[in-house]
Amino acid sequence: HVQLQESGPGLVKPSETLSLTCNVSGGSISSYYWSWIRQPPGKGLEWIGYIYNSGSTKHNPSLKSRVTISVDTSKNQFSLRVTSVTAADTAVYYCARAVNGGRLEYWGQGTLVTVSS
Amino acid sequence: DIQLTQSPSSVSASVGDRVIITCRASQAVSNWLAWYQQKPGKAPKLLIYAASSLQSGVPSRFSGSGAGTDFTLTISSLQPEDFATYYCQQAHSFPFTFGPGTKVDIK
Repeated sequence: HVQLQESGPGLVKPSETLSLTCNVSGGSISSYYWSWIRQPPGKGLEWIGYIYNSGSTKHNPSLKSRVTISVDTSKNQFSLRVTSVTAADTAVYYCARAVNGGRLEYWGQGTLVTVSS
Repeated sequence: DIQLTQSPSSVSASVGDRVIITCRASQAVSNWLAWYQQKPGKAPKLLIYAASSLQSGVPSRFSGSGAGTDFTLTISSLQPEDFATYYCQQAHSFPFTFGPGTKVDIK
């Protein structure tokens, strides 16, 4: 049974970098599309991007070049970095596994990241 | 980006009611459409993929239909645990996008 768990700081200052890690258990990270999705409080869902084939990435152009997604196969985890954050980046961040076809089968519980000084 | 709209934005219903939620895409997505259920404070849960395929473990009262630009999610007989927000999501072209959600609450 695949489980995902996000970890990282819950508070980030404006203009700094948001960094989160997703630990994957119950399955190998060497396959599938490992994704990050976020949800501002009380709002809808936004797909940030994903990593696949142990290193290829795709990210949402709406975040411009602020996003980096990476994977550490030795630790069975993948990570998200968002640079130059503003209050608009305040959201619950989810990691998830997508299968071919873009459906998100497994999700982490989510972690709230607040951008505030 | 492909925009998704959902209607209604909210619906009040009773246990046992049939509920239909629609999702419309700004351009054709073939059958690359999924539906999710989200309860407060929880991650979304996949219900339907490829427009009409039921995810393993999801009750058969949930069904999906449609292709191209128009899709529906039907809950045939609403149960107490079904009160939640439902989102559609297209996977035809990146960035994959979600609809704004439909909240199903108790009448």
